[in-house]
Amino acid sequence: EVQLVESGGGLVQPGGSLRLSCAASGFTLSSYSMNWVRQAPGKGLEWVSYISSGSSTIYYADSVKGRFTISRDNAKNSLYLQMNSLRAEDTAVYYCARDLELRTWGQGTLVTVSS
Amino acid sequence: QSVLTQPPSVSAAPGQKVTISCSGSSSNIANNYVSWYQQLPGTAPKLLIYDNNKRPSGIPDRFSGSKSGTSATLGITGLQTGDEADYYCGTWDSSLSAWVFGGGTKLTVL
Repeated sequence: EVQLVESGGGLVQPGGSLRLSCAASGFTLSSYSMNWVRQAPGKGLEWVSYISSGSSTIYYADSVKGRFTISRDNAKNSLYLQMNSLRAEDTAVYYCARDLELRTWGQGTLVTVSS
Repeated sequence: QSVLTQPPSVSAAPGQKVTISCSGSSSNIANNYVSWYQQLPGTAPKLLIYDNNKRPSGIPDRFSGSKSGTSATLGITGLQTGDEADYYCGTWDSSLSAWVFGGGTKLTVL
């Protein structure tokens, strides 16, 4: 069964950092591009970042450019999102999703930025 | 303000049909494939439609997608109470080099 499991969320102060992880199982991560998508409480979906299967192509939403870094370790079947200089408006559930079309989603991990 | 425009809400009776529109532009819908996602309350989004009109394995044929020019439409027939959810359209925007979503449409089955 194809499965994505996010972890690493939690409460962090404004200006702080957090690293999210996404563990893939049931498929070979190295064959697929991956994304991070977030959803603020009570709001819609917002795409955050994309990374190609071999990490050669990376895109970011303007709202996180320069603060967030997407990466992957295909040997560990894992995807990451390093989040620095966090702001209150980054508070959201963060999902990892497989493929450019976002075909498979994880259950999400909550990030709360608050003092 | 979302790049793609969806109606905030739609409603219909059980057994009826409903359509949800998604309006974009030449940099997104007109020249890229459109996907649709269903988000049931308290759960992660799930892919319903990809490549404008294709259904992943396990998605019933009550769900359909179409695209014309800068707009796309999700159709749901034989509505069930279990279809009550938020529905989002999404596509790649070639000008922004970003995936973009609609603001979401809340479906109520009366």
